Amino acid sequence: AQSVTQPDIHITVSEGASLELRCNYSYGATPYLFWYVQSPGQGLQLLLKYFSGDTLVQGIKGFEAEFKRSQSSFNLRKPSVHWSDAAEYFCAVGARTGGFKTIFGAGTRLFVKA
Amino acid sequence: DVKVTQSSRYLVKRTGEKVFLECVQDMDHENMFWYRQDPGLGLRLIYFSYDVKMKEKGDIPEGYSVSREKKERFSLILESASTNQTSMYLCASSLGPGQGWDGYTFGSGTRLTVV
Repeated sequence: AQSVTQPDIHITVSEGASLELRCNYSYGATPYLFWYVQSPGQGLQLLLKYFSGDTLVQGIKGFEAEFKRSQSSFNLRKPSVHWSDAAEYFCAVGARTGGFKTIFGAGTRLFVKA
Repeated sequence: DVKVTQSSRYLVKRTGEKVFLECVQDMDHENMFWYRQDPGLGLRLIYFSYDVKMKEKGDIPEGYSVSREKKERFSLILESASTNQTSMYLCASSLGPGQGWDGYTFGSGTRLTVV
């Protein structure tokens, strides 16, 4: 069965500092992997996805993520955080069968301090 | 851009009421989903649908039902609302496997409070 773990409930970084949000997954085959972002009171927006190929994927808003099969990880990174990045971030794994059902992690809330 | 529209942003209902949450998407997506979101638990799948009149249970279907009479509309029904169903409800849609699936598009959510 699929599962996703985001070890950090919340993270605080200074504006301009680098960011890494951790995600570990469990899945029996090569998964589809996603990062979504949710601003307060809003739905989720897709940041980036990994299906196959190059293990470093680029997304919107300057985010990138690296798929590491040996570590079952898909960590999200950004070299320089802006105050507008404050939000909740969800890692998700999608199955390649069964209707492409997606399982979400519990989320990591990012706080940005000036 | 694909739009997923949820009819209400905020709802307050009484215990025991029958509650309908509506979701409409405008890009001919095959798949539609209902999740509930609770702090510390992330998103949990309630029901999903591959096609019209077709539905599948997700991980937490108890106390809920769904209806998909038209491709663009997917309704979530709380048969008899209870206080433990107070939550944020998120609808999502996606292309199907044969259409080039690449993740979900979400609505803005409905925050339901049951008193």
